[in-house]
Amino acid sequence: EIVLTQSPGTLSLSPGERATLSCRASQSISSNSLAWYQQKPGQAPRLLIYGASSRATGIPDIFSGSGSGTDFTLTISRLEPEDFAVYYCQHHSRSPPRYTFGQGTKLEIK
Amino acid sequence: QVQLVESGGGVVQPGGSLRLSCAASGFIFSHYGMHWVRQAPGKGLEWVAFIKYGGSDKYYADSVKGRFTISRDNSKNTLYLQMNSLRGEDTALYYCAKDRLIYGTYEPASWGQGTLVTVSS
Repeated sequence: EIVLTQSPGTLSLSPGERATLSCRASQSISSNSLAWYQQKPGQAPRLLIYGASSRATGIPDIFSGSGSGTDFTLTISRLEPEDFAVYYCQHHSRSPPRYTFGQGTKLEIK
Repeated sequence: QVQLVESGGGVVQPGGSLRLSCAASGFIFSHYGMHWVRQAPGKGLEWVAFIKYGGSDKYYADSVKGRFTISRDNSKNTLYLQMNSLRGEDTALYYCAKDRLIYGTYEPASWGQGTLVTVSS
């Protein structure tokens, strides 16, 4: 079973700064199987990135994903106040379908 | 637009049962795989179950296998989760979510607002 480890657990930054969030898989995975979600307090998660680097519908280009193998990164180029939230990476396997989430990174205002 | 509305949550005693429903609209329900994902209070996301678009193929997390059953009624655009032998660790907000693309196995892309299940005596 794939285990996803996100770092840091909490990231404190100021609006306008650049955020870099990491997700490490316990073994090499296909880039097609890695996604990122944003969750704000009291809200459902929102899909940001799929296939490691493709933005989901309606997601602004300040969000970008990269990586391959075991190391993946979500970058937010210029933080807006509404970007402070918890971010999860997620892996899915196709055969059989199984889904694993990382433990999350909380992005908080410094 | 896509709408997913969960219902059926509540307080149940350990060992009890509950059935969750998710009413879907705004898309062709029968073309998409559907998920249940849960979130314990103050904790992260945990995938629970997935059902393919046709309804015959179902997959579960090890933590719920043998106790939970996912099903769907494509004529009613509704997803279900039958939960039996409930335990305290099943206490969570349960989300239903629609797969990103049709006919396959992809990421949960659209989510409902969740229904809260509390297992307590």
